[in-house]
Amino acid sequence: NAGVTQTPKFQVLKTGQSMTLQCAQDMNHEYMSWYRQDPGMGLRLIHYSVGAGITDQGEVPNGYNVSRSTTEDFPLRLLSAAPSQTSVYFCASSYGGNEQFFGPGTRLTVL
Amino acid sequence: DQQVKQNSPSLRVQEGRISILNCDYTNSMFDYFLWYKKYPAEGPTFLISISSIKDKNEDGRFTVFLNKSAKHLSLHIVPSQPGDSAVYFCAASARSGTYKYIFGTGTRLKVLA
Repeated sequence: NAGVTQTPKFQVLKTGQSMTLQCAQDMNHEYMSWYRQDPGMGLRLIHYSVGAGITDQGEVPNGYNVSRSTTEDFPLRLLSAAPSQTSVYFCASSYGGNEQFFGPGTRLTVL
Repeated sequence: DQQVKQNSPSLRVQEGRISILNCDYTNSMFDYFLWYKKYPAEGPTFLISISSIKDKNEDGRFTVFLNKSAKHLSLHIVPSQPGDSAVYFCAASARSGTYKYIFGTGTRLKVLA
């Protein structure tokens, strides 16, 4: 099993550009989520999904969109990148309400 | 408002001694608590968890204690080893609800050899 995979590992964007961060898991987990990690702020929940076709907002959803068309994939879309979205993004998955498995992260810089 | 708080940003402990990391929460709906460990440039990895029906859970050198009345949990590492040096995050969720996991800000543990 590959576990949770994220692409790309690094990305540099200009303000106003859009992009999609990819996340996939091969463990048949129902629950998937996106976090951002910023210095002194810990891991903040952006969006999460409890199954295909079901998504909901986390603590910091503004500026991000998600969709969950399959159990395996949970992409995160930045509609119009802003410098405030410079961060490290982590995707995670879990079965039910158990512990989450995290991907290796995507380091995003918005200039 | 921050629902899960780790008030100590850093902790230094001598090798072989006990490390105690603390976490407080405010939401009484949380019924499942987890600790994660994170090394630089890697994703967090699960360490240990505890359900609200228990007040203690042990796994080798790691023990988590839960005090529901105080809305406080702690992670004890005994004995501490240099390889334990990492950032530790506590997290909480309401398993009977939406499975929404909320994380604290983390505590950086440095174990000195």
